Amino acid sequence: DVKVTQSSRYLVKRTGEKVFLECVQDMDHENMFWYRQDPGLGLRLIYFSYDVKMKEKGDIPEGYSVSREKKERFSLILESASTNQTSMYLCASSLIRGSYGYTFGSGTRLTVV
Amino acid sequence: AQKVTQAQTEISVVEKEDVTLDCVYETRDTTYYLFWYKQPPSGELVFLIRRNSFDEQNEISGRYSWNFQKSTSSFNFTITASQVVDSAVYFCALSEERRGAQKLVFGQGTRLTINP
Repeated sequence: DVKVTQSSRYLVKRTGEKVFLECVQDMDHENMFWYRQDPGLGLRLIYFSYDVKMKEKGDIPEGYSVSREKKERFSLILESASTNQTSMYLCASSLIRGSYGYTFGSGTRLTVV
Repeated sequence: AQKVTQAQTEISVVEKEDVTLDCVYETRDTTYYLFWYKQPPSGELVFLIRRNSFDEQNEISGRYSWNFQKSTSSFNFTITASQVVDSAVYFCALSEERRGAQKLVFGQGTRLTINP
């Protein structure tokens, strides 16, 4: 069964901490994405990557960075976590022509205190 | 810019009722794809359907059906004879191509509750 796996389901971090959210896919997909989900706002794109070491800003990249050193792994980094980054984070992957849609991970619920 | 609007924030119906979830989109692209995803309480978004902008045929899959009308920029989703297991948040999404990747723009989501 093909999968997108996010390393943590729930995470609690302190303000100012550096936070890493990891995502791994086993489908050999070229594209990977990080979204955050907030009530009433739907899913908003933070960053995406269309190839190894390549990245593009999404709609809300401020306060985040990403890393893609290997095709199967896409990491989201919060350099200095803040309380307004408390959210559900969803990773997804797709083929290079993603007209078939995305495969999503189960999400990481991050709370910054 | 691409935009997807799901005006219904929450819907609550009794089991076996039919329910329609609305989706309206904005795009300047002539070729695009529309999607519906289901997010059950477990959190993982599950792909339901993809529709090409050139294909306006309605689609039926069991109790689910989709009505795509390009003239009104709408892609509505109907569940017939709803069941408690249909309770979830449903998202409509529109594709946007950037850097060779199909980026999805999501609506705000509609929380559907089916009461026994």
